[in-house]
Amino acid sequence: GAGVSQSPSNKVTEKGKDVELRCDPISGHTALYWYRQRLGQGLEFLIYFQGNSAPDKSGLPSDRFSAERTGESVSTLTIQRTQQEDSAVYLCASSHGRSKPQHFGDGTRLSIL
Amino acid sequence: QKEVEQNSGPLSVPEGAIASLNCTYSDRGSQSFFWYRQYSGKSPELIMFIYSNGDKEDGRFTAQLNKASQYVSLLIRDSQPSDSATYLCAVIAGNEKLTFGTGTRLTIIP
Repeated sequence: GAGVSQSPSNKVTEKGKDVELRCDPISGHTALYWYRQRLGQGLEFLIYFQGNSAPDKSGLPSDRFSAERTGESVSTLTIQRTQQEDSAVYLCASSHGRSKPQHFGDGTRLSIL
Repeated sequence: QKEVEQNSGPLSVPEGAIASLNCTYSDRGSQSFFWYRQYSGKSPELIMFIYSNGDKEDGRFTAQLNKASQYVSLLIRDSQPSDSATYLCAVIAGNEKLTFGTGTRLTIIP
């Protein structure tokens, strides 16, 4: 079956530009998560969606970061006015619920020049 | 105190030996525990999960949970070079948030 799909796999952009990253979760998974992983570092939680409930945005590092998800479908993570410190791999994961195992996509490697 | 703590390593183990990876957590209300494997440049891959005290075996992998001592471990028997990776411990605390440790880098020496 299809796993978590993320696009693009790589994104190179200039500082100050906006970027939009996409995540298509496993069908039937109600929960969706976004993480950031800087080179050689651990996973940094960004945001969590569960069905139609209000998202848990507690991990978003600044107001330049936002994410949307409609129902139990695709999610987009938007970073406005990108900075060099935003360079990282952005990982999306989905699960059947918050207490269930998460399955990760291959990530989007974002490089800010 | 970090919510989930792992020794960052690197941990070097001879091929064929048992690799033992440890993780401690701070929230006594934690209920669900996961081990992920992450190869360099790849995304984390779930390899084990455990919810109850004791051991859970899957092939060469055994997860061990001791809630009284607040630790969870992963044993890899008959270690292979392909087991060389970073192993991430993840814990769902009482608030239902999943928190990852920073990972232990494991190297299997042929």
